[in-house]
Amino acid sequence: EVQLVQSGAEVKKPGESLKISCKTSGYNFATYWVGWVRQMPGKGLEWVGIIYPGDSDTRYSPSFRGQVTISADNSISTAYLQWSSLKASDTAIYYCARRVVLARTAYFFDFWGQGTLVTVSS
Amino acid sequence: QSVLTQSPSASGTPGQRVTISCSGGRSNIGSHTVNWYQQLPGTAPKLLIYSDNQRPSGVPDRFSGSKSGTSASLAISGLQSEDEADYYCAAWDDSLNGLVFGGGTKLAVL
Repeated sequence: EVQLVQSGAEVKKPGESLKISCKTSGYNFATYWVGWVRQMPGKGLEWVGIIYPGDSDTRYSPSFRGQVTISADNSISTAYLQWSSLKASDTAIYYCARRVVLARTAYFFDFWGQGTLVTVSS
Repeated sequence: QSVLTQSPSASGTPGQRVTISCSGGRSNIGSHTVNWYQQLPGTAPKLLIYSDNQRPSGVPDRFSGSKSGTSASLAISGLQSEDEADYYCAAWDDSLNGLVFGGGTKLAVL
């Protein structure tokens, strides 16, 4: 059974660093892209970026490039999303999800983590 | 302002058929398949439709997807109270080289 289990809720102050995780199981971690999606309070879904654990190829949304870092550890089938200096505007739920690629024009997220609530407040 | 445009809200009564639309452009819906996600209150999104009109295992056939040109639609027939949720369309965008979502449609079952 495919599962993505995310780390627990975090409360941080502006300027602090943070790394949240997405531990996967039930499939070959190295052969599927894993993406991150942000949902700010009461708002819609926004794509943050994606990583292919097999070769660490990483892509970022222009809105998030330089603001976050996505990484993966194949040895423990876990993907990460990290910030070096949090802002209040980073307050949101962050979801990880497995991406399936059917063809060059057909991709989708089939399994999702439960979400990690990140609260940044002074 | 989302790249893909959805109506913010939709509603229907039990048993009715409702349609949710998603409008994009040549670089996204016009070039790539569309996926739909359902987000029940307080839960993670769930894949509802992939590749324009395919249902994952376990999704009832009351849910169907279609696409024409740069627009896509999600239809829900035999509306049920448990269908009350937010629905998002999504597609890859060649110009942004990334995934784009619609702003979401909140469906109310009256």
